[in-house]
Amino acid sequence: DTAVSQTPKYLVTQMGNDKSIKCEQNLGHDTMYWYKQDSKKFLKIMFSYNNKELIINETVPNRFSPKSPDKAHLNLHINSLELGDSAVYFCAFILDLHPYEQYFGPGTRLTVT
Amino acid sequence: RKEVEQDPGPFNVPEGATVAFNCTYSNSASQSFFWYRQDCRKEPKLLMSVYSSGNEDGRFTAQLNRASQYISLLIRDSKLSDSATYLCVALNTGFQKLVFGTGTRLLVSP
Repeated sequence: DTAVSQTPKYLVTQMGNDKSIKCEQNLGHDTMYWYKQDSKKFLKIMFSYNNKELIINETVPNRFSPKSPDKAHLNLHINSLELGDSAVYFCAFILDLHPYEQYFGPGTRLTVT
Repeated sequence: RKEVEQDPGPFNVPEGATVAFNCTYSNSASQSFFWYRQDCRKEPKLLMSVYSSGNEDGRFTAQLNRASQYISLLIRDSKLSDSATYLCVALNTGFQKLVFGTGTRLLVSP
């Protein structure tokens, strides 16, 4: 069974809209992440959540807000979408601390028109 | 300057060739290092961790040089299925944050 899932896989929307990307994991781990991979394939961390507490917030515009309704979910809500938000968004979880391994979801390809 | 830097490639090699990738990191506080592999339109997946003493996993060998702050990945006997982007990654232990390089693209041809 897939350990982490994201929905939707593809999202096409217009500028100015508000959208959410959902992420669910069945690993039972506390620490979750959101990453953005831009058109140049650069993968950068956006947020880290541990036990429903925001740990890392990497200079991300406040239009982006992670929401963790429970331990198994870390959703990403984006307000007032802009063209530059077009990217692939990955959620990830720590699979094991020793060795340290992050397990990535399949990604959501967001296109803002 | 990016915290983790890699040659973007692409590296075009024939099947059976040996190919090596290097990457450099600027944060001397980084404690752990990894190579991830990312196929086109897929998520990154851990290929191997990198230990100071060097480590090998089948056809793959990773090395870490802390003095020079660089990491290498050697692939022997390249297969067509090795074609992918290889991401060099440093772990910022304090924040449990992975810092990714931009990746090196490998194309293995018949």
